[in-house]
Amino acid sequence: EDQVTQSPEALRLQEGESSSLNCSYTVSGLRGLFWYRQDPGKGPEFLFTLYSAGEEKEKERLKATLTKKESFLHITAPKPEDSATYLCAVYGNKLVFGAGTILRVKS
Amino acid sequence: EAGVAQSPRYKIIEKRQSVAFWCNPISGHATLYWYQQILGQGPKLLIQFQNNGVVDDSQLPKDRFSAERLKGVDSTLKIQPAKLEDSAVYLCASSPRDGTYNEQFFGPGTRLTVL
Repeated sequence: EDQVTQSPEALRLQEGESSSLNCSYTVSGLRGLFWYRQDPGKGPEFLFTLYSAGEEKEKERLKATLTKKESFLHITAPKPEDSATYLCAVYGNKLVFGAGTILRVKS
Repeated sequence: EAGVAQSPRYKIIEKRQSVAFWCNPISGHATLYWYQQILGQGPKLLIQFQNNGVVDDSQLPKDRFSAERLKGVDSTLKIQPAKLEDSAVYLCASSPRDGTYNEQFFGPGTRLTVL
């Protein structure tokens, strides 16, 4: 059965304090791994798609990487506006979302 | 470009009542998805349409949930009768691409409370 586990559940950072969010997955035949950002009261917003181990993608202060067992979302010098829930999803036999990591960045 | 529209934004009903949600995807998007997001969890895919055909409804509780996509554009999701455990946010998403779940655009969701 396809599974996705995100850690930590919640993360508090000071503005400028870089860190990483983890997405561990078990899937038979990965066809895609997705990162989304979700603000309170809103639908998820697409960030990245990764397809194969070793792949990396960047957008502003965010960088996503992929290995055969996990993905990391690296946040460099975060700002308060980066505060949100970050969701990871994998597509193997079906699409499965993790529960997300709640990120709070304080100024 | 207008985003995915959903209505209503909020709905409160009693258990055993019926409820319907409406979604208007981004113009030209062939693929439409309905998700259920329970508080503290990630979205769970309920059903995927490609144009007006169902691609995947394996996680849709078909004894009480139904969905249709009218003329390959708008879609409605219905729950009849509702149970307490159906309290959740129902998200609609659309994508211009087929079959890969890539880059979905989500609406704001409908928050359903079942009392």
